[in-house]
Amino acid sequence: SQQGEEDPQALSIQEGENATMNCSYKTSINNLQWYRQNSGRGLVHLILIRSNEREKHSGRLRVTLDTSKKSSSLLITASRAADTASYFCATGLIQGAQKLVFGQGTRLTINP
Amino acid sequence: GAGVSQSPSNKVTEKGKDVELRCDPISGHTALYWYRQSLGQGLEFLIYFQGNSAPDKSGLPSDRFSAERTGGSVSTLTIQRTQQEDSAVYLCASSLPTSGGAGEQFFGPGTRLTVL
Repeated sequence: SQQGEEDPQALSIQEGENATMNCSYKTSINNLQWYRQNSGRGLVHLILIRSNEREKHSGRLRVTLDTSKKSSSLLITASRAADTASYFCATGLIQGAQKLVFGQGTRLTINP
Repeated sequence: GAGVSQSPSNKVTEKGKDVELRCDPISGHTALYWYRQSLGQGLEFLIYFQGNSAPDKSGLPSDRFSAERTGGSVSTLTIQRTQQEDSAVYLCASSLPTSGGAGEQFFGPGTRLTVL
């Protein structure tokens, strides 16, 4: 079964609003990463949060990690039309060396 | 510097034919990954190469799928006797080795495979 589950599957908001996406996972992890994908092609790494971290910021991005609940959230503040994309969480498992397990993604649409 | 490159960008083939997809990772990246992404879906792990170690083939869906990595650099994913359900975008990624779990992966633009 899928390790990462994103919620919601799709999100549509107005430009300038904040967007929050959630990710839940099942097994213990070393780290959790978020990626963005435009137009169904290559993914771009956004941020990595380690299992001993609770929150991390990068520009307009804020990621939280709750290992007790096996969940993470990605917050994009002051959204822009260019943020329209699919967002995936990926977990680096303790048992699994260098592999990442990706979720199904959240499709984010920013309306001008 | 150059990123991960993949070729071809698009491939249309007939059912039953063999196809080869190529990935050229970032220079110095010892880890290389292949994923498959069906329309509107997440990434499905296929195979992982790390240096000279034996590849992790646990994600290959059938024995029609194989991959090799020559000289620790370029990788080729081969699909024999293609089926319509093989139609998907095939993504390659590379990364530096890290301690403490998987690190940031750098993705290529993908190859869109269509099997008629």
